[in-house]
Amino acid sequence: DVKVTQSSRYLVKRTGEKVFLECVQDMDHENMFWYRQDPGLGLRLIYFSYDVKMKEKGDIPEGYSVSREKKERFSLILESASTNQTSMYLCASRDLYEQYFGPGTRLTVT
Amino acid sequence: DQQVKQNSPSLSVQEGRISILNCDYTNSMFDYFLWYKKYPAEGPTFLISISSIKDKNEDGRFTVFLNKSAKHLSLHIVPSQPGDSAVYFCAASEGISNFGNEKLTFGTGTRLTIIP
Repeated sequence: DVKVTQSSRYLVKRTGEKVFLECVQDMDHENMFWYRQDPGLGLRLIYFSYDVKMKEKGDIPEGYSVSREKKERFSLILESASTNQTSMYLCASRDLYEQYFGPGTRLTVT
Repeated sequence: DQQVKQNSPSLSVQEGRISILNCDYTNSMFDYFLWYKKYPAEGPTFLISISSIKDKNEDGRFTVFLNKSAKHLSLHIVPSQPGDSAVYFCAASEGISNFGNEKLTFGTGTRLTIIP
């Protein structure tokens, strides 16, 4: 059974903190993605990776970076968290036709 | 620029009736379309997809229709059940290939409520 896990379901951080969101998939997929979901804006792609150590900017990469040191793990990094980064963050991995999502991390930046 | 649009943020349908969710796109290079369903506090789950070489795909109670000339797709749920209450996202990608690394572009979502 396909499984994508995210390290935290809920996270509260202060403005200016460095934040790490971890995602692990057990399907040996090459492609992994980070999205944020906001009301009225749908899912917006932040970064994606199609191989270890490879990364591509999505539609809204500003304020974020990523790391893919192992095939199964894709990390999203907020270098200096800001209140406008309060959101639901969703990780996904993909086979040829479908993306599989993790449960999401609700991040609040105060 | 929103390339995939779901113009109805919400929809309420009586249980047993048909639910029709609509999605429009602007990028003529999109050739593969998907619908995802999302419950609160969970990640989206794949529902059904359609390739641009088809105009209809059916899976149980769910049917997706694609009108390429109008750049429009719709999801029909018949009959609607209370468990169908969720947010539905349509998504599109261009250039299906063996690499599978094409990104998906998502719409803004439609919240479907099934009234018992």
